[in-house]
Amino acid sequence: AQSVTQLDSQVPVFEEAPVELRCNYSSSVSVYLFWYVQYPNQGLQLLLKYLSGSTLVKGINGFEAEFNKSQTSFHLRKPSVHISDTAEYFCAVSPYNTDKLIFGTGTRLQVFP
Amino acid sequence: DTAVSQTPKYLVTQMGNDKSIKCEQNLGHDTMYWYKQDSKKFLKIMFSYNNKELIINETVPNRFSPKSPDKAHLNLHINSLELGDSAVYFCASSQTGALGQPQHFGDGTRLSIL
Repeated sequence: AQSVTQLDSQVPVFEEAPVELRCNYSSSVSVYLFWYVQYPNQGLQLLLKYLSGSTLVKGINGFEAEFNKSQTSFHLRKPSVHISDTAEYFCAVSPYNTDKLIFGTGTRLQVFP
Repeated sequence: DTAVSQTPKYLVTQMGNDKSIKCEQNLGHDTMYWYKQDSKKFLKIMFSYNNKELIINETVPNRFSPKSPDKAHLNLHINSLELGDSAVYFCASSQTGALGQPQHFGDGTRLSIL
């Protein structure tokens, strides 16, 4: 079975500050890793994904994430946030042998001017 | 052009009624999904269909019946609606054959049971 833990339910930050949203996962099989963003009243949009290869992956809107196999983590970072980054961020895993996505509980990023 | 579209966007109805939510994707994908997002924003998969065939059924009450007339459509019918069914329901699609392909989501249907 797989599970995804996003320890921070809310992360408040000022505009232009750096941010890190934490994600840890547990799985008995190899998984692919994803970050999705949900803006208010919208569906989920893919930010980035890790399938294999370089452990640092870059996504849209200036976000990046680093896969750490030994710590089973996939933390999301952005060096300088904008007001428009205010949204809910979901970490998810997909076991190698399925198309199923297992989501974390989400982190609400609130960017203040 | 919207890639994954759901209708209706909002659905308000009374307990005990039967309702349907429709989903269509124009991405040429062969797999479609339904997810439920509860009031705490937790997202959980309900069903997935590949080429009209049921692949995943995550212990969802049998009051929920998905129907896939073709690979571009996956509708969700709910019988005897209960208060606990209030949630946002998301449809998604992806292309199988290359695992790790991201899923593309619709904007959701907000279901409110009175």
